[in-house]
Amino acid sequence: DTEVTQTPKHLVMGMTNKKSLKCEQHMGHRAMYWYKQKAKKPPELMFVYSYEKLSINESVPSRFSPECPNSSLLNLHLHALQPEDSALYLCASSRAHTDTQYFGPGTRLTVL
Amino acid sequence: QKEVEQNSGPLSVPEGAIASLNCTYSDRGSQSFFWYRQYSGKSPELIMFIYSNGDKEDGRFTAQLNKASQYVSLLIRDSQPSDSATYLCAVNLSNTGKLIFGQGTTLQVKP
Repeated sequence: DTEVTQTPKHLVMGMTNKKSLKCEQHMGHRAMYWYKQKAKKPPELMFVYSYEKLSINESVPSRFSPECPNSSLLNLHLHALQPEDSALYLCASSRAHTDTQYFGPGTRLTVL
Repeated sequence: QKEVEQNSGPLSVPEGAIASLNCTYSDRGSQSFFWYRQYSGKSPELIMFIYSNGDKEDGRFTAQLNKASQYVSLLIRDSQPSDSATYLCAVNLSNTGKLIFGQGTTLQVKP
């Protein structure tokens, strides 16, 4: 089983809203990732968590705040986003940071 | 120089033909290489991973790695219309967990 789940599937928010994206895996993976993908572009890494600790932050603006409450769960808290932040947000997980990453279905975010 | 380069295509092949997708990378410290398939509006789906020089076969798919030339390729035999998608080459940058993607090659398989 290589399933990564993400909720919600779609999210529409205003620039003053606060919302959160959720990602979950039950494969015992110890590395989890957030990616952002704009239309017709490849995914771009945002954050890497390894053993529940943030190991890579790709200079992401502070309006995106990741959280890893436990080894199965990864959240992305959103606040004061801009319309250009509209994208597909992908979560992935892997056994370790050197291993194959498996992607969830993504959350399609629209910022009005 | 981009870290991972692919020809964006589109690459058009007739049904039943072999599709050949190519990728080059710049970081010599990278050890893990991946091919993902992405249908429009969907998330990337793992097709193959390869860590060692040479060929790796899985069904109709063969991945090839040449670390000396910094080159990865994917062959799809007996191409089907359902193979029509964007194929993303990805490199785990110096095994840090930072997956760097190429721009993707759009494959069209015509019946």
